[in-house]
Amino acid sequence: RKEVEQDPGPFNVPEGATVAFNCTYSNSASQSFFWYRQDCRKEPKLLMSVYSSGNEDGRFTAQLNRASQYISLLIRDSKLSDSATYLCVVTLSGGYNKLIFGAGTRLAVHP
Amino acid sequence: NAGVTQTPKFRILKIGQSMTLQCTQDMNHNYMYWYRQDPGMGLKLIYYSVGAGITDKGEVPNGYNVSRSTTEDFPLRLELAAPSQTSVYFCASSYEAHTEAFFGQGTRLTVV
Repeated sequence: RKEVEQDPGPFNVPEGATVAFNCTYSNSASQSFFWYRQDCRKEPKLLMSVYSSGNEDGRFTAQLNRASQYISLLIRDSKLSDSATYLCVVTLSGGYNKLIFGAGTRLAVHP
Repeated sequence: NAGVTQTPKFRILKIGQSMTLQCTQDMNHNYMYWYRQDPGMGLKLIYYSVGAGITDKGEVPNGYNVSRSTTEDFPLRLELAAPSQTSVYFCASSYEAHTEAFFGQGTRLTVV
């Protein structure tokens, strides 16, 4: 089983739509959680950290459920500029910081 | 602000050749990482380092070597290039454990 699994996508949505991405992780010792965004042929960049209490940044909301080992990202009012691949990332505790990436979910927002 | 700088951006190698991918960061980060990303796939950790003089293997270390003689630099060495090493290589750094990682722009390597 992969350490971090995501919906493979692609998700094709119209502008203004709400879209949700899911991610599960296998290691219960995972300590930190992030969503990164990767544009085509570019490097990944941090979108937001994910906290147990849930957190929101503008149109983006991230949720963490430690009991179910599940992370989500909700994008409201999608923009054309949101088209990218969204990477779920976890770090493991009990040692050195290793960022473990999911394979990513591709989002295409169309007019 | 330079951040994480990788060189070269593109390279074509012949099977059996060797090369070093350079990575340097100017943020005084302790942690540095090398990842590879194959088309349509996620990032796989090759090697990482938690400070000068300390390195450790990641998920896919075979065929690669690293060194970390300074805080700023973390070069990745390919000794005998193979077609399976055709990929995009990303270097990243972070200040401490469980914090945001910053990535370089990547090196696109093709082995023919």
